[in-house]
Amino acid sequence: KAGVTQTPRYLIKTRGQQVTLSCSPISGHRSVSWYQQTPGQGLQFLFEYFSETQRNKGNFPGRFSGRQFSNSRSEMNVSTLELGDSALYLCASSLGRGGTQYFGPGTRLTVL
Amino acid sequence: AQSVTQLDSHVSVSEGTPVLLRCNYSSSYSPSLFWYVQHPNKGLQLLLKYTSAATLVKGINGFEAEFKKSETSFHLTKPSAHMSDAAEYFCVLLPNQAGTALIFGKGTTLSVSS
Repeated sequence: KAGVTQTPRYLIKTRGQQVTLSCSPISGHRSVSWYQQTPGQGLQFLFEYFSETQRNKGNFPGRFSGRQFSNSRSEMNVSTLELGDSALYLCASSLGRGGTQYFGPGTRLTVL
Repeated sequence: AQSVTQLDSHVSVSEGTPVLLRCNYSSSYSPSLFWYVQHPNKGLQLLLKYTSAATLVKGINGFEAEFKKSETSFHLTKPSAHMSDAAEYFCVLLPNQAGTALIFGKGTTLSVSS
């Protein structure tokens, strides 16, 4: 079975721009969660989607948003990028809510 | 409050010697606990998980962990380190309530010397 895939793997943007990251879960997995990893803050939960609905949200500003499609693929969007948004963004999928989460390789976002 | 504390930010061992990475947790509920490993520029790989079955959990690559409720600990061990074990290790808690957000420790970097 193919693992979680994330595209693109690397992105360079400038302040004020917006960005969209994509995540394809393991086949059959219906829950997708997003996490931000930075050297200073470590790994932090952004949000979780299940059945195309956001079910849980972490403590991030409204500039961070996401959605999930009927095939369980998910996208996250960050608007009005700030330097502090530079991070590794990780997507994880699980069969259902509360299940074991399997991670993708991440998207490395650099904001200049 | 739910939290995870990894007691060592960096552990150094020699190849062939035992590995011990320490993790304490705090949870109001009976949690699920996980260890993940991250190699440089890679995502997180699941090593093992505890979900209220056997307290001694065996994982991949010879790693195991023991859940001790009385000590609120979930330490990761391996009898004999390999060079390929050098990576960052995360102890992770899933509170097992309505929320599904994983709570991560700050990570332990394992260095293995020859």
